[in-house]
Amino acid sequence: GQQLNQSPQSMFIQEGEDVSMNCTSSSIFNTWLWYKQDPGEGPVLLIALYKAGELTSNGRLTAQFGITRKDSFLNISASIPSDVGIYFCAGRYLTSYGKLTFGQGTILTVHP
Amino acid sequence: GAVVSQHPSRVICKSGTSVKIECRSLDFQATTMFWYRQFPKQSLMLMATSNEGSKATYEQGVEKDKFLINHASLTLSTLTVTSAHPEDSSFYICSASSGGENEKLFFGSGTQLSVL
Repeated sequence: GQQLNQSPQSMFIQEGEDVSMNCTSSSIFNTWLWYKQDPGEGPVLLIALYKAGELTSNGRLTAQFGITRKDSFLNISASIPSDVGIYFCAGRYLTSYGKLTFGQGTILTVHP
Repeated sequence: GAVVSQHPSRVICKSGTSVKIECRSLDFQATTMFWYRQFPKQSLMLMATSNEGSKATYEQGVEKDKFLINHASLTLSTLTVTSAHPEDSSFYICSASSGGENEKLFFGSGTQLSVL
């Protein structure tokens, strides 16, 4: 099946630092979604991308849909303690009937 | 964003009993809902796709007789774990698709199932 490689697996940063994580796929996707999950909760949608090259921001978060349609990145600027959590990328390809393929997740820890 | 309500958030049951989990889309109609299972510090594993008014489509390796899915209306899907065993203990999460050209997937808050 389709595979998504998400990196890094974990990050330990100081409050105020910028963060970058990315996902690459073995196939072309037509949608990329980025989610954040807190412990014991469901994932919350952060940013949705639908076009190659699309760059979208949501507050301190910025994500881009790669030109090749096989990758996407998420940046968090000026991190704060509440950014702690697990971040997942998810992709959907044209014939997946709405099903998402998820990356392995990036565990973010922010030290005050 | 859209709201998906999932209940219960936590359930503890005895081995051999059945547990029903509800997933409701509160502010939009969802013809398609998805059920996932998640182990600690791992990614989400798709179990099945639930389509309103038709039978669910299960992923390979997921027992359809064990994990019964019903999607009787455009806003409600249920997952019943039948004859639960300790190995069924897990975090179960539902999601609902907004449909349309710029389709988004919204998740419920999850259900932590513990089978004793």
